[in-house]
Amino acid sequence: AQSVSQHNHHVILSEAASLELGCNYSYGGTVNLFWYVQYPGQHLQLLLKYFSGDPLVKGIKGFEAEFIKSKFSFNLRKPSVQWSDTAEYFCAVILSGGYNKLIFGAGTRLAVHP
Amino acid sequence: SQTIHQWPATLVQPVGSPLSLECTVEGTSNPNLYWYRQAAGRGLQLLFYSVGIGQISSEVPQNLSASRPQDRQFILSSKKLLLSDSGFYLCAWSRTSGRINEQFFGPGTRLTVL
Repeated sequence: AQSVSQHNHHVILSEAASLELGCNYSYGGTVNLFWYVQYPGQHLQLLLKYFSGDPLVKGIKGFEAEFIKSKFSFNLRKPSVQWSDTAEYFCAVILSGGYNKLIFGAGTRLAVHP
Repeated sequence: SQTIHQWPATLVQPVGSPLSLECTVEGTSNPNLYWYRQAAGRGLQLLFYSVGIGQISSEVPQNLSASRPQDRQFILSSKKLLLSDSGFYLCAWSRTSGRINEQFFGPGTRLTVL
């Protein structure tokens, strides 16, 4: 079955540290990739997405992600985190041919300390 | 602009009692609608999706059912709740333009079954 793996369940960083959250998926066909974020007390919202084209995509709030097809990966990065980046981050994929159905990873809780 | 509402925000129910969670979308027509559940320590799992009124697809066998009585209304139900039904339930919608589309999530309902 298709799945999405997020390697880090909890990450703790200090402000200004660099961030990389891993995401791998298991599916050999065409995929569309997403990172969603849920800030404390807020709705789940889209951070960035990859459909096609440049494998390095930029999202809101200085986040970016790189799609590496050969590694089935879509890691999320930010060069310098802020306290306000404290949130839960979810990687997700939509498989080709589906009704836009998202398959989510388990999520990574990021805590940024001042 | 489009908005998505869910209620109630929190719910505590005894085992064996019925359940009805409601989701409504404003500002769009003929959306795809989705119900997800996030159990403690796990990612979001797609439960049901709907591409039109009365059209419901179930992703996993379970104690729950869904209905779409109106174009922008999606209801999640159970006749008898189990302890394992506890979790965070999210409703989402997406456009149906034929392309892969971003999903927009509601605020969620936290259900505790005692």
